[in-house]
Amino acid sequence: EPEVTQTPSHQVTQMGQEVILRCVPISNHLYFYWYRQILGQKVEFLVSFYNNEISEKSEIFDDQFSVERPDGSNFTLKIRSTKLEDSAMYFCASSGGHTYRRETQYFGPGTRLLVL
Amino acid sequence: AQTVTQSQPEMSVQEAETVTLSCTYDTSESDYYLFWYKQPPSRQMILVIRQEAYKQQNATENRFSVNFQKAAKSFSLKISDSQLGDAAMYFCAYRSAAEYGNKLVFGAGTILRVKS
Repeated sequence: EPEVTQTPSHQVTQMGQEVILRCVPISNHLYFYWYRQILGQKVEFLVSFYNNEISEKSEIFDDQFSVERPDGSNFTLKIRSTKLEDSAMYFCASSGGHTYRRETQYFGPGTRLLVL
Repeated sequence: AQTVTQSQPEMSVQEAETVTLSCTYDTSESDYYLFWYKQPPSRQMILVIRQEAYKQQNATENRFSVNFQKAAKSFSLKISDSQLGDAAMYFCAYRSAAEYGNKLVFGAGTILRVKS
């Protein structure tokens, strides 16, 4: 069964550094998302992406964040200057393929980001 | 804005018995989707079951079933014949059906412990 993949699984970085989190969505999906989960808290929406542009973003998704689909398979989340409070699990999800469950979002395994 | 509430921070169940996890939501929309996701200690988000609001019939997936009460805005998850592998955090989530690509809104989660 197709699945969403994410790399790296863990990333440790210094405050102020740039990080890029990578995702490969399910191949026939059209909508892509990033969510984050700070340890012990609920999963929060960051951004959705469709047709090569952002379709919706949350208040968390400020100028420090950006997303890109650089080729036909990858979907990336960049944090320009990381802060301590960016430490979280970041999940990529995709949906909107030509299948019965096209409305369902399928999640990747997550990238655990730790900012020191 | 839609909100999702899971009032049970933690639940316990004996192996082979049945447990019900509660979820309520608030929305002014008439068409939407509801989901239960499971998050084991690996922190991967795994889809358990989904319900379309326009369907009166409750969704079932093997040992998992829901009790969807649209008027009461309630969406509980019943796990029958509980297994040790069911131990995880369970998140209830809401998605508007207004258009494709809408974000998921998550509840705070319920930790389910399964006793042998």
